[in-house]
Amino acid sequence: DGGITQSPKYLFRKEGQNVTLSCEQNLNHDAMYWYRQDPGQGLRLIYYSQIVNDFQKGDIAEGYSVSREKKESFPLTVTSAQKNPTAFYLCASSIDPTGGETQYFGPGTRLLVL
Amino acid sequence: DAKTTQPPSMDCAEGRAANLPCNHSTISGNEYVYWYRQIHSQGPQYIIHGLKNNETNEMASLIITEDRKSSTLILPHATLRDTAVYYCIVRVVEDNTGTASKLTFGTGTRLQVTL
Repeated sequence: DGGITQSPKYLFRKEGQNVTLSCEQNLNHDAMYWYRQDPGQGLRLIYYSQIVNDFQKGDIAEGYSVSREKKESFPLTVTSAQKNPTAFYLCASSIDPTGGETQYFGPGTRLLVL
Repeated sequence: DAKTTQPPSMDCAEGRAANLPCNHSTISGNEYVYWYRQIHSQGPQYIIHGLKNNETNEMASLIITEDRKSSTLILPHATLRDTAVYYCIVRVVEDNTGTASKLTFGTGTRLQVTL
């Protein structure tokens, strides 16, 4: 089956810890994205990557880091510098490097800081 | 990307058509109208998009007014599984500067389908 997978579905973090969220796609899409969603709110863009070994900051990149070493993988690290990390994190991908094509989303990871 | 305005919530009886409106009065000529929906605690699901012509696919129909300042998403026979938050988004598609990459989600319309 082709698609986008995110793991884990739920993640608990202690304050001060870094944590990495996984996002994998087997759609052969060039572009990948990370969004954050807070309760009752829309999505906000954290980082995006249009090609391997390249990525750009979105609207709320502070406290987050990413890497794009492989086309199919775009992990997101939530660092201790992110002051309010509890949220629903969504990964997406699109076939077109410009991001112009439709973005398809994974099932999401819910992060809770203890 | 242009801003959109949607009603916060709507109800629809199962089996009836659900008509979800969206205003995008500041839309530019090179901006498309996209619709996504998000069922509780899941990732958003793409539904349909269009530029100026009406569009139909297996999920829904999209009606865009002639002046492109508003649109309506139509679910022809709503079922309980269509209960979700529906997002209307306008975005530039053909742009090589990277600004096309962002989808700007508002708070959407919460559609409740009832028996």
